Amino acid sequence: EIILTQSPGTLSLSPGERATLSCRASQSVSGSYLAWYQQKPGQAPRLLIYGASTRASGIPVRFSGSGSGTDFTLTISRLEPEDSAVYYCQHYDKSPYTFGQGTKLQIK
Amino acid sequence: QVQLVQSGAEVRKPGSSVKVSCKASGGTLTKFSINWLRQAPGQGLEWMGRILPIFGETNYAQKFRGRVTFSTDKSPSTVYMELSSLRSEDTAVYYCARGITSLLDAFNIWGQGTIVTVSS
Repeated sequence: EIILTQSPGTLSLSPGERATLSCRASQSVSGSYLAWYQQKPGQAPRLLIYGASTRASGIPVRFSGSGSGTDFTLTISRLEPEDSAVYYCQHYDKSPYTFGQGTKLQIK
Repeated sequence: QVQLVQSGAEVRKPGSSVKVSCKASGGTLTKFSINWLRQAPGQGLEWMGRILPIFGETNYAQKFRGRVTFSTDKSPSTVYMELSSLRSEDTAVYYCARGITSLLDAFNIWGQGTIVTVSS
């Protein structure tokens, strides 16, 4: 199975700053079948990015995804207080689909 | 816009089974995959498998094979997940989630989650 490793584990930034979250796969993710999710306490995850770089419907343009192969990045430009959440990457290349362990983003 | 509505919280004893439902409200399940995932308290997300309701095709994660069954009603408007031989480690929030297409399992629509507690 593909193991996804996210870094950093926790990120603490101020409003207006840029956040860069990393997701590294143990083997190449073909077709860029890589997604990013945002999860707030007590809520189901929300899809942000799929296909490594395509924003899901209704997602603000300050969320962007990039990468291919084994290295992927989620960038959040101009952080806002409501961006405080845990962010997960997920591959859907082949079964079993797996998730990274998450990056907790704290807004100061 | 379709919504996925899951059944309510369940409490089960070790060794028993639980069946959770996921109903499509305002749309159809036929063109999309429905996936089941779970999240143990304070932990990350774990994919359990998927079903393609229009064909009834299933794909279970190896970890759950033999213990989990996905099924649909005849419409299909409702998908079910049954997990047997429950143990305390199965205590989690269980989610159903719809893939963007029948082939692309990035999950753009989620159910609200069903808390399953396994305790003696």
